[in-house]
Amino acid sequence: DTGVSQNPRHKITKRGQNVTFRCDPISEHNRLYWYRQTLGQGPEFLTYFQNEAQLEKSRLLSDRFSAERPKGSFSTLEIQRTEQGDSAMYLCASSLEVRAGEQYFGPGTRLTVT
Amino acid sequence: AQRVTQPEKLLSVFKGAPVELKCNYSYSGSPELFWYVQYSRQRLQLLLRHISRESIKGFTADLNKGETSFHLKKPFAQEEDSAMYYCALNQGAQKLVFGQGTRLTINP
Repeated sequence: DTGVSQNPRHKITKRGQNVTFRCDPISEHNRLYWYRQTLGQGPEFLTYFQNEAQLEKSRLLSDRFSAERPKGSFSTLEIQRTEQGDSAMYLCASSLEVRAGEQYFGPGTRLTVT
Repeated sequence: AQRVTQPEKLLSVFKGAPVELKCNYSYSGSPELFWYVQYSRQRLQLLLRHISRESIKGFTADLNKGETSFHLKKPFAQEEDSAMYYCALNQGAQKLVFGQGTRLTINP
């Protein structure tokens, strides 16, 4: 296991298009988290899964955003009708439930909406 | 509301000098705090957990509940310590709330 992986690493899209990102967590981790990070800010929580169940969504996650973790393994984050304000680094992390604060982060997907 | 504040966006010290990165938090429950670090062109990674009271790469951090602080300290800075440091609060054992981060630069 090489750690948490994310694809793509970079995505440039035009406003109004839909984009989908993928995260593959560390295999034995049952928790998976999505964060968003903009320039000069720390990561902001978006949502998290325990196994395949999505247990919490941030108010930051508008109805244009949807996340899934269908088999409790990899996860996808989709943004519909992208806006310029969606431009950010999207980070995925995973952890064991019993050590939820000890999260292992992926390299991130940098989204640019033009 | 739960919040983590890192008052310094930038901190620059000379090699061999002591380093202190400040972190204050507001949380109504029993806090669980962490320091994460991001070196240049690397991913965000865990540096310290307050529960373990350990020293990693010479860094220590003590939770002060009276002052609601969790400052990160190192007595003698090294050039390889240059990085972005984030203080984080584990909210309800569910998610991390991060501060804005402090960019630490160690000058030779």
